[in-house]
Amino acid sequence: NAGVTQTPKFQVLKTGQSMTLQCAQDMNHNSMYWYRQDPGMGLRLIYYSASEGTTDKGEVPNGYNVSRLNKREFSLRLESAAPSQTSVYFCASQPWGRAGANVLTFGAGSRLTVL
Amino acid sequence: TQLLEQSPQFLSIQEGENLTVYCNSSSVFSSLQWYRQEPGEGPVLLVTVVTGGEVKKLKRLTFQFGDARKDSSLHITAAQPGDTGLYLCAGRGPGSARQLTFGSGTQLTVLP
Repeated sequence: NAGVTQTPKFQVLKTGQSMTLQCAQDMNHNSMYWYRQDPGMGLRLIYYSASEGTTDKGEVPNGYNVSRLNKREFSLRLESAAPSQTSVYFCASQPWGRAGANVLTFGAGSRLTVL
Repeated sequence: TQLLEQSPQFLSIQEGENLTVYCNSSSVFSSLQWYRQEPGEGPVLLVTVVTGGEVKKLKRLTFQFGDARKDSSLHITAAQPGDTGLYLCAGRGPGSARQLTFGSGTQLTVLP
């Protein structure tokens, strides 16, 4: 099925460990995003990539890095995980177009626990 | 940073009742979207409103964008258990390229 695929769905890390969350979309969308969702705080933007070859910081980028590998793939890396990074992470993509008409398509999420 | 406040945070009602969820900000948005999220899944877009005062209906759901484009509401008529989920509003500021600001969400539970 067309859409946004995230891996892994679940991950448990110890403080200080590193890991990469993978995201791929097959809708030929230009823009891709990484959000984190915490209880009572909605979705907060970590990083985004407006188009292939560009990345920019969002609202909460500290402790994270991203790579836009190609048009399809956008990965999120935690170099040294901290308990504050325990969260559910969502990748999303969006086609190019008028801002008011753009629609975000989300993946199913990756639940990360840092002990 | 543009902030969106949603109320109520939690809502539990009986099947058949009506409800309204509010999304408010002190900032002006060029457009506003409503998403619904079910457990274990990502948010799914319900509607986009662009014009101040705009009203859109999606079956039993009515969405309104405030005249000043700073607030929005979602009204559900005769709620059903299938309406249960987390409802999120998200606003796009004037001049912003591709980012949305999300509200904190309203967790709706409709009891049979």
